[in-house]
Amino acid sequence: GAVVSQHPSWVICKSGTSVKIECRSLDFQATTMFWYRQFPKQSLMLMATSNEGSKATYEQGVEKDKFLINHASLTLSTLTVTSAHPEDSSFYICSARPSGVETQYFGPGTRLLVL
Amino acid sequence: GENVEQHPSTLSVQEGDSAVIKCTYSDSASNYFPWYKQELGKRPQLIIDIRSNVGEKKDQRIAVTLNKTAKHFSLHITETQPEDSAVYFCAAQSYRDDKIIFGKGTRLHILP
Repeated sequence: GAVVSQHPSWVICKSGTSVKIECRSLDFQATTMFWYRQFPKQSLMLMATSNEGSKATYEQGVEKDKFLINHASLTLSTLTVTSAHPEDSSFYICSARPSGVETQYFGPGTRLLVL
Repeated sequence: GENVEQHPSTLSVQEGDSAVIKCTYSDSASNYFPWYKQELGKRPQLIIDIRSNVGEKKDQRIAVTLNKTAKHFSLHITETQPEDSAVYFCAAQSYRDDKIIFGKGTRLHILP
């Protein structure tokens, strides 16, 4: 089956620093990947659509200058949380869909804690 | 944009009984409806899905129904077991942009 990985699985950083999270599709190519954020006891909220070779599309209310997305290849998308603050602490999950398949596959998530 | 409503937010069911979770969606462009089970700290796991050209689908103890006209879809779990305890999310995916929009989730407790 399709496998999506994320790295790191968890990260603790100081307020004001930037954190990069990687999302990889291991056995398929993905022209589109999605980034979600999940706060405790809440649902997954779509942050942005990552498009290979072009700019990401951000959902309303998500600051594109704070959450930088780069989709440099067909198997890798990165999310950089710039100048992280405690309120950015959350569970970040990516997903990707192999072509010809409707099902999206989720990465294992990255837990970010900003002190 | 798409809006997915999910009810109830919490559901407690005696072991062996059935559980039903209901969702509605707003965007007629949504044509794929997956259901996910999420355990604490883990990624959502797809448990069943249904496409808009199908009204019902069953996989062992799990079934999903879809009423496209009313924009309703439901998850049914029969003969519930302790390991069914988790948070369940319904979702709707649009053919226009592949975005998945999630419902707010249902915390299912299976009581011994």
